[in-house]
Amino acid sequence: AQSVTQLGSHVSVSEGALVLLRCNYSSSVPPYLFWYVQYPNQGLQLLLKYTSAATLVKGINGFEAEFKKSETSFHLTKPSAHMSDAAEYFCAVDPYGNNRLAFGKGNQVVVIP
Amino acid sequence: SAVISQKPSRDICQRGTSLTIQCQVDSQVTMMFWYRQQPGQSLTLIATANQGSEATYESGFVIDKFPISRPNLTFSTLTVSNMSPEDSSIYLCSVEKDRTGETQYFGPGTRLLVL
Repeated sequence: AQSVTQLGSHVSVSEGALVLLRCNYSSSVPPYLFWYVQYPNQGLQLLLKYTSAATLVKGINGFEAEFKKSETSFHLTKPSAHMSDAAEYFCAVDPYGNNRLAFGKGNQVVVIP
Repeated sequence: SAVISQKPSRDICQRGTSLTIQCQVDSQVTMMFWYRQQPGQSLTLIATANQGSEATYESGFVIDKFPISRPNLTFSTLTVSNMSPEDSSIYLCSVEKDRTGETQYFGPGTRLLVL
């Protein structure tokens, strides 16, 4: 079974500081990879996705992620945190391109003024 | 993108009863999915709902417990049957919008508490 690991359920970051959320996956084939964000009482919103094109993927709201096959990682970064970035972030993998997503446990990001 | 609504947004139910959750999309989509997000856990795929055929269930989920309907290309329902407190979760509907099958769009979820 495919699995996604996100370490640290709660992540605190100061406003203006780097946001780094780590995601590692297990997959025997190059997967599709996603980062979703969930704001309070809202559905999941796609931040960005990797689909075997460029390994550095840029998403919305200034986020980007880099696919590293050798490390089976897809870490999410944003150079400067904003208060509006406070949300829960989920990494997900679709190993076979058939929309059967496996999600990580999520990171609850708290931005400190 | 796709605009997805779910009803109810939340509910409190007694054990042994059943609840049907509705998912409505603003445009026709090929595939619809149902996920469960238990407290403190990640999202888990329950089943894939295809129009005109029976739903495909993931390991650990069965039709008797989670019957699904997909009467047309914009609507689906998930029923949580004979509920127990362990069924307390957020249930999310998602759809595949792109023909490439690369992106899923999610509804706001239904928060269910079973007493």
